[in-house]
Amino acid sequence: AAGVIQSPRHLIKEKRETATLKCYPIPRHDTVYWYQQGPGQDPQFLISFYEKMQSDKGSIPDRFSAQQFSDYHSELNMSSLELGDSALYFCASSRDRVQETQYFGPGTRLLVL
Amino acid sequence: EDQVTQSPEALRLQEGESSSLNCSYTVSGLRGLFWYRQDPGKGPEFLFTLYSAGEEKEKERLKATLTKKESFLHITAPKPEDSATYLCAVLQGGSEKLVFGKGTKLTVNP
Repeated sequence: AAGVIQSPRHLIKEKRETATLKCYPIPRHDTVYWYQQGPGQDPQFLISFYEKMQSDKGSIPDRFSAQQFSDYHSELNMSSLELGDSALYFCASSRDRVQETQYFGPGTRLLVL
Repeated sequence: EDQVTQSPEALRLQEGESSSLNCSYTVSGLRGLFWYRQDPGKGPEFLFTLYSAGEEKEKERLKATLTKKESFLHITAPKPEDSATYLCAVLQGGSEKLVFGKGTKLTVNP
């Protein structure tokens, strides 16, 4: 079965640089979620989109922005990167945002030097 | 504040030694409770969704149950390949974010 696709899988950036993470949801899934997982931590919700509109927002820094496109893929843009942004970033998708299971992608490992 | 607490933090079992993992939650308007398995450096892999107290679901050696305050993940006759971190998460009414517990790191020795 098709799964959530994330790219790139690994990314190394310098402080104050910009990064863009991409997420391609499971076919026919219309809702996308972004999570951040620090070392030894549980995943923390950042933001979600339903039908290309932001549907919920968590503890996402103002330096980060995201959007969902007409083909339902999503991009997370991160600017002025800080050392503390080093983490695993997961995208998840669901067929329906109400009581529907979120399926996670393999993640993008971001390292900020 | 919503809270999800998992216990134990870590569990070591011998192959074939059955046990249970606990997830207690305090959330108003529970829409769903989810169990995921996560291997190091990989994305959480979906296991079960439970919606109401009394519900049970099974998959191979795993069985998940739900009460009004907690959920259990029972592992019967585990194998070394069951070694992973097991995450519990809840979805509250009016929100789309999963709130995760800290996880239980399970190690099954051959």
